[in-house]
Amino acid sequence: QVQLKESGPGLVQPSETLSLTCTVSGFSLTSYSVSWVRQPSGKGPEWMGRMWYDGDTAYNSALKSRLSISRDTSKNQVFLKMNSLQTDDTGTYYCTRDQTEGIDYWGQGVMVTVSS
Amino acid sequence: DIQMTQSPASLSASLGETVTIECLASEDIYSNLAWYQQKPGKSPQLLIYDASSLQDGVPSRFSGSESGTQYSLEINSLQSEDAATYFCQQHHDYPFTFGSGTKLEIK
Repeated sequence: QVQLKESGPGLVQPSETLSLTCTVSGFSLTSYSVSWVRQPSGKGPEWMGRMWYDGDTAYNSALKSRLSISRDTSKNQVFLKMNSLQTDDTGTYYCTRDQTEGIDYWGQGVMVTVSS
Repeated sequence: DIQMTQSPASLSASLGETVTIECLASEDIYSNLAWYQQKPGKSPQLLIYDASSLQDGVPSRFSGSESGTQYSLEINSLQSEDAATYFCQQHHDYPFTFGSGTKLEIK
């Protein structure tokens, strides 16, 4: 069955870089696009960016200068790196499988706290 | 960026009632709208796609509709398990944007 699982540090120091990994199973990264979406506690989600099935990427312009999304298809993994983290980057980070009609699967999410 | 204005922020309704949640897009999104349900501590789940198509496995008491740039999610015959937060999302143009959410309480 389709699964996505995020992994990475739960605590990041201000000004440092966040690195997250999304490991997928049950589908191929060369057939489906994967996005990163984050959600501050008690707020609506924010789409961060996408790794297209063909290897192309798209980013939220508000984050583009700090964000990088890459993948390793041999390991079924998609990576997120975001630098210069601040406290308002605190929240739950999800990777998602995208269909043309929306997100059909979400990972369980990983809580990231930016704090010294 | 396309703004999705979602209302109400919260509502309370009784078992068996019907409720409607709305999202107003700041420009035409050509029915490229999805609705998600999120229960506390869980990931969102897709309910409706393409504004009005029911995702497989979702009860038929959920339905979506549109009128111009206004999109609606209707839940009929409310059940206790419908207590959750609901979000809309446009996927017509980057960056894909979400509504701020509607928290539904079942009395």
